[in-house]
Amino acid sequence: EAQVTQNPRYLITVTGKKLTVTCSQNMNHEYMSWYRQDPGLGLRQIYYSMNVEVTDKGDVPEGYKVSRKEKRNFPLILESPSPNQTSLYFCASSSGRLAGDNEQFFGPGTRLTVL
Amino acid sequence: KQEVTQIPAALSVPEGENLVLNCSFTDSAIYNLQWFRQDPGKGLTSLLLIQSSQREQTSGRLNASLDKSSGRSTLYIAASQPGDSATYLCAELDRDDKIIFGKGTRLHILP
Repeated sequence: EAQVTQNPRYLITVTGKKLTVTCSQNMNHEYMSWYRQDPGLGLRQIYYSMNVEVTDKGDVPEGYKVSRKEKRNFPLILESPSPNQTSLYFCASSSGRLAGDNEQFFGPGTRLTVL
Repeated sequence: KQEVTQIPAALSVPEGENLVLNCSFTDSAIYNLQWFRQDPGKGLTSLLLIQSSQREQTSGRLNASLDKSSGRSTLYIAASQPGDSATYLCAELDRDDKIIFGKGTRLHILP
């Protein structure tokens, strides 16, 4: 089954404790992206990647890191989480860049709480 | 700064009615516009994508239109069903691959 998976689905952590949210897709997609969704602010793009070893900042990259060492994986790293990073995070993938009219497939989301 | 606005934020309609969801955007150089559906606790599902050169797209009971000159898109849902209850988001994409989402319209279909 074609899908985007995220782990963990739920995470409660404390300020400053490094964490990684994994994202994996089995569709051989080139484009992958991370979003956060907050009440009243909607969905905002954090980082995206056009291909292996190619990443770029979205609208809200501060406090986040990403890496793309393999095509299927695109982990989101919070080196020193803070309470304002409490949010619902989504990973998405697409067969090509979005401006090529390629559909995005979204993961189920990771709800992160930083105390 | 480009913005995407969806009004209303929430909408309740009786089952069987036709309805229209609205999306407005400020980017005159829009590349395409997409409509998504989000069910509670789940990710987004793509519904329809309209290229900037197109006026509308249809899929089953759904029809999306795009008017670049007025900066508006609408999602028309015909013969609504309880299963249509969800949050609907629109997102515009510019030519630099930057995507901007609206905050969504939470739709509740009353049985």
